[in-house]
Amino acid sequence: QVQLVQSGAEVKKPGASVKVSCKASGYTFTSYGISWVRQAPGQGLEWMGWISAYNGNTNYAQKLQGRVTMTTDTSTSTAYMELRSLRSDDTAVYYCARTNPWLAFDYWGQGTLVTVSS
Amino acid sequence: DIQMTQSPSSLSASVGDRVTITCRASQSISSYLNWYQQKPGKAPKLLIYAASSLQSGVPSRFSGSGSGTDFTLTISSLQPEDFATYYCQQSYSTPEFTFGPGTKVDIK
Repeated sequence: QVQLVQSGAEVKKPGASVKVSCKASGYTFTSYGISWVRQAPGQGLEWMGWISAYNGNTNYAQKLQGRVTMTTDTSTSTAYMELRSLRSDDTAVYYCARTNPWLAFDYWGQGTLVTVSS
Repeated sequence: DIQMTQSPSSLSASVGDRVTITCRASQSISSYLNWYQQKPGKAPKLLIYAASSLQSGVPSRFSGSGSGTDFTLTISSLQPEDFATYYCQQSYSTPEFTFGPGTKVDIK
């Protein structure tokens, strides 16, 4: 069965960086992209970006350009999302999601809470 | 950028009710519209993709319709496990795959 397992919760200070991992299993990793979505406390869903696990091509949300980097390690079927220069409004649950050919997110990780606080 | 709106923002309904949620795009997105259900503290779950295709394992009481700018999600007979927040998402305009603001369905 398809599973995406994310790394654990993080607490960071403003200005620091965080790197969240997402380990995939149950499917051919390079056949699908991985998207990252975040959700601030009590708020809606915000798409952050997408990476092709096949060739590493990326698309990032304009508001995060320059602060976010998405990568994959095909040898371990793991995707990574790094966010730099953290601010308090980056506090959120971060999700990875497998992206199907219609660019819908059909399987999701369990979420990783990132708290940014001084 | 394509903006997504949903209506209503919240609704109260009873078990067995027929529920319809509307999603509107600021410009045509063809059929590149997906619907998700999210329960508190859980990851979202894909219900409908490509406007009207039911995701595997999703009950048939969920259906989607529409194309262009106007879309609907219908729950034909609301069940207790359907009380949740529903989001639409457009996947037409790369690189910004925007979500709607959500519709919360709670118990009347």
